[in-house]
Amino acid sequence: EVQLLESGGGLVQPGGSRRLSCVGSGFTFSTYAMHWVRQAPGKGLEWVADIRGSGGSTNHAASVKGRFTISRDNSKNTLFLQMSNLRAEDTAVYYCAKDISGGYDYYFDSWGQGTLVTVSS
Amino acid sequence: ETVLTQSPATLSLSPGERATLSCRASQSVMTSLAWYQQTPGQAPRLLIYDASTRATGTPARFSGSGSGTDFTLTISSLEPEDFAVYYCQQRSNWPLTFGGGTKVEIK
Repeated sequence: EVQLLESGGGLVQPGGSRRLSCVGSGFTFSTYAMHWVRQAPGKGLEWVADIRGSGGSTNHAASVKGRFTISRDNSKNTLFLQMSNLRAEDTAVYYCAKDISGGYDYYFDSWGQGTLVTVSS
Repeated sequence: ETVLTQSPATLSLSPGERATLSCRASQSVMTSLAWYQQTPGQAPRLLIYDASTRATGTPARFSGSGSGTDFTLTISSLEPEDFAVYYCQQRSNWPLTFGGGTKVEIK
C-alpha cells in the first residue's frame, strides 16, 4: 500500500522559512515524479511544484518561484519543500502527491494527509 | 493559464439520485482532465483521469466524459459516501490547474 507522510508544518512569521518533508513507502520512490499541492483554508487546490524521479528536473508555480525549492533524497524515500520569504497567502495545507506513472503524467493517484503551514505574526 | 470553471458550485441531491457535474476549460485541454473527490478533513482522491478512465478502486457508478473544453462527471446513483467536494484538474497546458470545486450535499 502506498503511503505518504508529510511533516514540518507549523506557525511561521512573515518573511520566515520552513522545510516540509514527505516520506514515501509502498512503492519504488525513485521511479516516480512527485509533487506538492496546497490548499488554503476553505479554498481549492493549487499545484506548487514537481520533481522527476531522478531529481534532475523540477518545476515551480509562478506564485512560489524563487521562494520555494522542491528536492528529494531517494536514498531516504523523502521529498522536501524548502520555503523561504513566506507570506500570509502561503498559509495552506501542503500535500505531497505521487504522480500516477513513472514519468510526468501530472495526475496524482496518492496523497499524503497534509501538513498545515500558517504564516502569521 | 487555463482556467477551469466548475458548475454548479453546490449540488443538493438525495441518496440514490443522479449527479451531473460540469467542468469547462478556458482553452482546449484535449482529454487531459482528471476528477478528484475530497471529503472534509481528508486529502483528495483521484477518481477519473484522461477524461473517462476510472482510477484503480473507483466504483463503476462514477463516469467521466468530454473533450476539448467541456467535461462532465456523472455519479449514476449517489451513495452516502459520495457527498463531498469534487475538483477537476487539467494537465494539457502548463501550469496544471484545478477547478474551484463542486460541493455535492445531501438535500
